Amino acid sequence: AQSVAQPEDQVNVAEGNPLTVKCTYSVSGNPYLFWYVQYPNRGLQFLLKYITGDNLVKGSYGFEAEFNKSQTSFHLKKPSALVSDSALYFCAVRDGYSGAGSYQLTFGKGTKLSVIP
Amino acid sequence: GAVVSQHPSRVICKSGTSVKIECRSLDFQATTMFWYRQFPKQSLMLMATSNEGSKATYEQGVEKDKFLINHASLTLSTLTVTSAHPEDSSFYICSAKPGQGVGTGELFFGEGSRLTVL
Repeated sequence: AQSVAQPEDQVNVAEGNPLTVKCTYSVSGNPYLFWYVQYPNRGLQFLLKYITGDNLVKGSYGFEAEFNKSQTSFHLKKPSALVSDSALYFCAVRDGYSGAGSYQLTFGKGTKLSVIP
Repeated sequence: GAVVSQHPSRVICKSGTSVKIECRSLDFQATTMFWYRQFPKQSLMLMATSNEGSKATYEQGVEKDKFLINHASLTLSTLTVTSAHPEDSSFYICSAKPGQGVGTGELFFGEGSRLTVL
C-alpha cells in the first residue's frame, strides 16, 4: 500500500518570503512523486514530478521540490512567494514498480497555501 | 498540449434524475482515465479506473450501478450519476493517462464538474 502525508492543513506566508509545503510518503517500491495545484472550483494542474535522477526537481511557476529518500520526503518550495500562489496544493505518489498498467495516484489531503500581501 | 476537457463544469439537477459528465482528452489518446470525487476541503477520492473498450474497475465502496462509467473511445470517458440524490452532490474530477510520447509519467486532469442535486 502507498500513502502520502501532508502534515499541515494550512500554510501562511508573507509575499516575497520563501515558502515550503511539506510532504512525506510511503511506498513499497521506487516512488514516483508529484505535486499538483488546485485553484477554487478548478481541476488539478501539474507542477512537477520526481521519477529518477537529480533529487532537486524544478517545475512550473518557479516551484521546486527536493526528493529525500532517507526521510521519505518531497517538500515543495519556492524562494519568493506571490499572492497568486495562494491555492490548494496536493502531493501524490505512485509505486514505480506498479508497471505501465497502473497509474493510480495516491493523494495527500492537501495543504492550503495563503500568501499574504 | 495534453489538455483534458470536462463538461459540464456545473450542473444542477432534481433528485431522481440522471446526470452525465464527459471527460475528453483533446490532443492525445488516453487508454486509461480515472474518475475522482472531491468533498469540500478534502482530498481526491478515486472512484474508478476507466479503460478504453473494457469495463471500469471500481474502488471499494463505490456503487457501479450508481456511477456508470463508459470509455467508448480513446478520447472520451463518461460518468453517469444515476438516480441522483442530494448526497451525490460533489465535485467530480477526471484525469487521463496519455500514451507514449505525451508527458513523462504525470496524469492530466480535467477542470472538474460541480454537481448539485436538489
